[in-house]
Amino acid sequence: GENVEQHPSTLSVQEGDSAVIKCTYSDSASNYFPWYKQELGKGPQLIIDIRSNVGEKKDQRIAVTLNKTAKHFSLHITETQPEDSAVYFCAASIRGKSSGDKLTFGTGTRLAVRP
Amino acid sequence: DAGITQSPRHKVTETGTPVTLRCHQTENHRYMYWYRQDPGHGLRLIHYSYGVKDTDKGEVSDGYSVSRSKTEDFLLTLESATSSQTSVYFCAISGGLGEQYFGPGTRLTVT
Repeated sequence: GENVEQHPSTLSVQEGDSAVIKCTYSDSASNYFPWYKQELGKGPQLIIDIRSNVGEKKDQRIAVTLNKTAKHFSLHITETQPEDSAVYFCAASIRGKSSGDKLTFGTGTRLAVRP
Repeated sequence: DAGITQSPRHKVTETGTPVTLRCHQTENHRYMYWYRQDPGHGLRLIHYSYGVKDTDKGEVSDGYSVSRSKTEDFLLTLESATSSQTSVYFCAISGGLGEQYFGPGTRLTVT
């Protein structure tokens, strides 16, 4: 089955700096890669995703890049703000099955943004 | 939380007792999922459903069963709770385009 590794496990940055979180996956058939943000006591919230037919996607201060050859994808947050502090999870799945998409998650990165 | 509710939100139970967690959605989505979240493991899929009465096992299904008799409800049952099932349980829904939206979670403690 799919295995997703995520690094680093913790990340501390100064407000205004950029943060980068990296994930690798094992199954070359995976074609959908979402990123989730989880605040304390809440459920994971989908913040951005990328499909295997594109290499990069941006949404304001957040961007995700995908390298299919190397089987890794990354989350980039620019101009970080204290409200970006949370745990971030990457995930991977194989889209297109009628039985649904089974996400395999990384183990999470705790991001702290220092004011 | 995308029209998803989970009940109860917190539960403490004793080893050996049966427990049922409920996930309810108002989005009319076809797909529903149950995950558990534990420190150091991220989220792991327990069971999922791709339609009424259509369910399948995930990565960590041992000790759990599910049922889906209506589109809006997906139940997770621990037949005989064990301490290793102490966890936070999340339900997720999807309309079939890949995106999954999560509920607020249920914190279960088995003593």
